[in-house]
Amino acid sequence: EAGVVQSPRYKIIEKKQPVAFWCNPISGHNTLYWYRQNLGQGPELLIRYENEEAVDDSQLPKDRFSAERLKGVDSTLKIQPAELGDSAVYLCASSFTGRETQYFGPGTRLLVL
Amino acid sequence: AQSVTQLGSHVSVSEGALVLLRCNYSSSVPPYLFWYVQYPNQGLQLLLKYTTGATLVKGINGFEAEFKKSETSFHLTKPSAHMSDAAEYFCAKSTRGGGADGLTFGKGTHLIIQP
Repeated sequence: EAGVVQSPRYKIIEKKQPVAFWCNPISGHNTLYWYRQNLGQGPELLIRYENEEAVDDSQLPKDRFSAERLKGVDSTLKIQPAELGDSAVYLCASSFTGRETQYFGPGTRLLVL
Repeated sequence: AQSVTQLGSHVSVSEGALVLLRCNYSSSVPPYLFWYVQYPNQGLQLLLKYTTGATLVKGINGFEAEFKKSETSFHLTKPSAHMSDAAEYFCAKSTRGGGADGLTFGKGTHLIIQP
């Protein structure tokens, strides 16, 4: 069974540029999460989707971050414009609806110069 | 306030020695508890979890953890460390009955295995 797929794996951009990350969850997993992991820290939840609905986006910085999950499968997380402090690893995870175990993708490592 | 605390950002043990990684949580009701491992440049892999039932939970790669409600702890142990255990370990919690709530993670413990 394929795991959570994320792309790109690495991204280097200059500040003020836009950037997007893509996630394909495990087949059948209706719940999808985006986390941000700063260097030396644990992941922090940005947004959680149930199918195509964002049910928890309280930690998403909405002035520059946006996310979508069209058709309730793949998801895209966007930053526009990027700032130096956005340098981090962005992790996508998925789970079955109502189940507590989350499965993580390999992450996208973003470096903003 | 930190709701998952991992004591020791770095832990160093000799190969073959006992591994003990400490995790304490704060919660008004006992949460679901998890240990994840992260190897360099990889995502997080679930080691084990506690939801209900037996408080001693066995996971993959010989790891186990014990839920102690009175101490609000969920420490991770392995009787004999192997070089391949060197990685970052994260303790996490989610709300009991919250189903698919997001996880709250500790800051992580970097496990170093000395030959």
